[in-house]
Formats: sequence, C-alpha cells, structure tokens
Amino acid sequence: DSGVTQTPKHLITATGQRVTLRCSPRSGDLSVYWYQQSLDQGLQFLIQYYNGEERAKGNILERFSAQQFPDLHSELNLSSLELGDSALYFCASSWEPGAYEQYFGPGTRLTVT
Amino acid sequence: GESVGLHLPTLSVQEGDNSIINCAYSNSASDYFIWYKQESGKGPQFIIDIRSNMDKRQGQRVTVLLNKTVKHLSLQIAATQPGDSAVYFCAETRGSQGNLIFGKGTKLSVKP
Repeated sequence: DSGVTQTPKHLITATGQRVTLRCSPRSGDLSVYWYQQSLDQGLQFLIQYYNGEERAKGNILERFSAQQFPDLHSELNLSSLELGDSALYFCASSWEPGAYEQYFGPGTRLTVT
Repeated sequence: GESVGLHLPTLSVQEGDNSIINCAYSNSASDYFIWYKQESGKGPQFIIDIRSNMDKRQGQRVTVLLNKTVKHLSLQIAATQPGDSAVYFCAETRGSQGNLIFGKGTKLSVKP
C-alpha cells in the first residue's frame, strides 16, 4: 500500500459527459502528479501540483483540468469525454516537487461508452 | 515522439534465474533514469534509479546498468521470484521539474 488513495476505483460514463477523479496523497506529501495509462499511449504524465500550485504540465488536453486543494488532495476533471479518453488514471505523490521516486495510487479506471 | 523505449515487450524466465530487462533512450540530456514495477491491478512502484553520471547502481537483488555510449539502460534481477512477475517500465527525468517520461514496458513472467 503506497498510502495514496484514489476514488472512484471504476467509472463508466457516456461520451460528452464530465467526471471528476479524486486523489489523496500520502500523509506529508506536498506534490501530486496525474498520469494517464492507455494501451496505445502507455503511461503519460498529465500535470503536476506542488502545495496547491500548478508546477508542470505534460500531455494534458484542454478538456482536462486539475487542481490541488489546501488540504493537499487533488481532483482531475475530464469534460466532453470521448471514447479515446477511456484509460487508467493514476495519481502519484511525493514530498518534494519533481521527485523521481513517486508513490502511485491504485488508479481509477475510466470507461467511456 | 517517445524517447524512452524497450527492446522486448515480454520476457519469460524460470524461477531462480536472473532476469535482464533492457531499455533504450534517445535523449542524452536526461538527468536520471528510473525503473518502476507495475503488478497487475496496481499502480507503478519505484524500484531503483541511476543518475546520468553513473554506470552502475545496485539495490536489493536488482542492479541497474547505464551505458551512455549506446544510450542503453538495463535492469538485472537476481534469483527471480514469482513475486517479480510484473510489467517493468524504464523512465527518464529531465530538469528541475522532474516529470517522468515512461517507456512502454516489458512484461516479466516467472515460471515456477
């Protein structure tokens, strides 16, 4: 158990809809990272937050947004969903920003029908 | 395009044998190279890292080798156990932001 929690575990929704994925980092960790894992694209970095502030962006679509709250939990919002957005979404955390040793949560499996 | 990739998508070894998982990279500016392990149904888990100015680093039952001349990274697992069965990803990180760039992964299967 990494100490990172993600909810929900599974999510099934229709195209065009909007969903919110939630992540609670390990106790004491200030940095949160979001990744998307799909069969065709592999594991891709989306966005990084440190202590409430956006720190780095990766291959995140404009339809996706995220934020980190004062209690350090983070949410990833996915809107106007397309079939291709079906994937596993992982949250990871670390104490310091930009750490390469990151603790990953169990993921949220999103299925868009 | 992706700068970190793997030579083999699958690897099958006998329990007790040593495993070698390979990875090629193209960006010489990477600061660190990292290996992650992902077991079925779980998130990736950090195994070991190596700084770009090193050639070798050893951990518990694992060794990472870095050959900058041919831009090649490998993970060696000694006395492979059934619990080592997983997908192994190499990753690289560049600059202070430390974003991980993952390769596609190699699936390691350990035969009893």
